[in-house]
Amino acid sequence: DVKVTQSSRYLVKRTGEKVFLECVQDMDHENMFWYRQDPGLGLRLIYFSYDVKMKEKGDIPEGYSVSREKKERFSLILESASTNQTSMYLCASSGRDRGLEQYFGPGTRLTVT
Amino acid sequence: SQKIEQNSEALNIQEGKTATLTCNYTNYSPAYLQWYRQDPGRGPVFLLLIRENEKEKRKERLKVTFDTTLKQSLFHITASQPADSATYLCALVPSSASKIIFGSGTRLSIRP
Repeated sequence: DVKVTQSSRYLVKRTGEKVFLECVQDMDHENMFWYRQDPGLGLRLIYFSYDVKMKEKGDIPEGYSVSREKKERFSLILESASTNQTSMYLCASSGRDRGLEQYFGPGTRLTVT
Repeated sequence: SQKIEQNSEALNIQEGKTATLTCNYTNYSPAYLQWYRQDPGRGPVFLLLIRENEKEKRKERLKVTFDTTLKQSLFHITASQPADSATYLCALVPSSASKIIFGSGTRLSIRP
């Protein structure tokens, strides 16, 4: 059974803290993605990666960075958390063919106070 | 501007009826269109994919149509059940890009 796991389901951080969200997939997928999901705005792509050490900006990369040192692991970093980064964060992976479906993790609900 | 739109209003359907959800797009040339199901507090789950040269795809009680002239995809659930209640997302893979663009989803409620 394919699986994408995220390091936390719920996280509460203070403004200005550095936050790490980790995602691991066990399907040997080349592509990995980070989204945030907010009511009424849908899923918005933050960053994605096609290969180890490769990264591409998505639609809303400001305030975020990513790291992909190993194929199975894709980390999202909030350098200095702000209240407007309170959201549901979803990680996904997919195979090399861009038409293939994305497999999502369970999500991390991050609250920044 | 480029847009992918789903009906933001919730859809309420009587059990046993066919539920039809709509996904419209503008200023995209999609290579693929996908549909996902999302339950509250969980990540989306892939359901179906349809290619630009396909008109219709079926999987059990699910049917997806794709009309590139109307720039629209319809997602049907026949013989709907309360367990089908969820939010359904359409997602478009443009022919000129490698990333997927998601609609904001339509919440479907099936009442017994």
